[in-house]
Amino acid sequence: AQSVTQLDSHVSVSEGTPVLLRCNYSSSYSPSLFWYVQHPNKGLQLLLKYTSAATLVKGINGFEAEFKKSETSFHLTKLSAHMSDAAEYFCVVSDRPGGTSYGKLTFGQGTILTVHP
Amino acid sequence: DAGVIQSPRHEVTEMGQEVTLRCKPISGHDYLFWYRQTMMRGLELLIYFNNNVPIDDSGMPEDRFSAKMPNASFSTLKIQPSEPRDSAVYFCASSLWTGGNTIYFGEGSWLTVV
Repeated sequence: AQSVTQLDSHVSVSEGTPVLLRCNYSSSYSPSLFWYVQHPNKGLQLLLKYTSAATLVKGINGFEAEFKKSETSFHLTKLSAHMSDAAEYFCVVSDRPGGTSYGKLTFGQGTILTVHP
Repeated sequence: DAGVIQSPRHEVTEMGQEVTLRCKPISGHDYLFWYRQTMMRGLELLIYFNNNVPIDDSGMPEDRFSAKMPNASFSTLKIQPSEPRDSAVYFCASSLWTGGNTIYFGEGSWLTVV
């Protein structure tokens, strides 16, 4: 079984300050982990993904996330927030059981990021 | 690449009417997914196909919902008859299984049933 918990439903930051969006997961297998972003009235866009390579993953728009197996976490960070970062962010986990070509995705409930001028 | 294309983008319909949502996946992708997003339940996987074959439809809410994929470049999600509680955003997504499970979402179909 797998699950994902986004620890904050809302995060508010000032433009130019760091962003931290927290995500914890549980997985029975070696997971793949993703962060997606959804801007208002838009579809979900992939920010970055972890698939058992480097534990620090760099994504688009200056975002990065670190896979910490001991803490079962995959927090998303950005050094300096921009107004255009205001959106909803989803942490996603995928189990990859042996012999299965597709691992079912489980989405977190989302974190709404607000960026103040 | 054009990405996943969905139509219509917005639809308002009356209760009891049939609704058909359409999706064109990214060319070459062998997995296609239908998701529903609501405020109350978040993102839910309704059904997914592999090589045009439905693999898991356990997320389809009830018999009023049906999905087809007649060929590799087209899929439909049909609701008949529609009800107000079906109001949601329906996303189609596709992926190519090369490892990593990255799926690409369409812009969504905003459905309102009145």
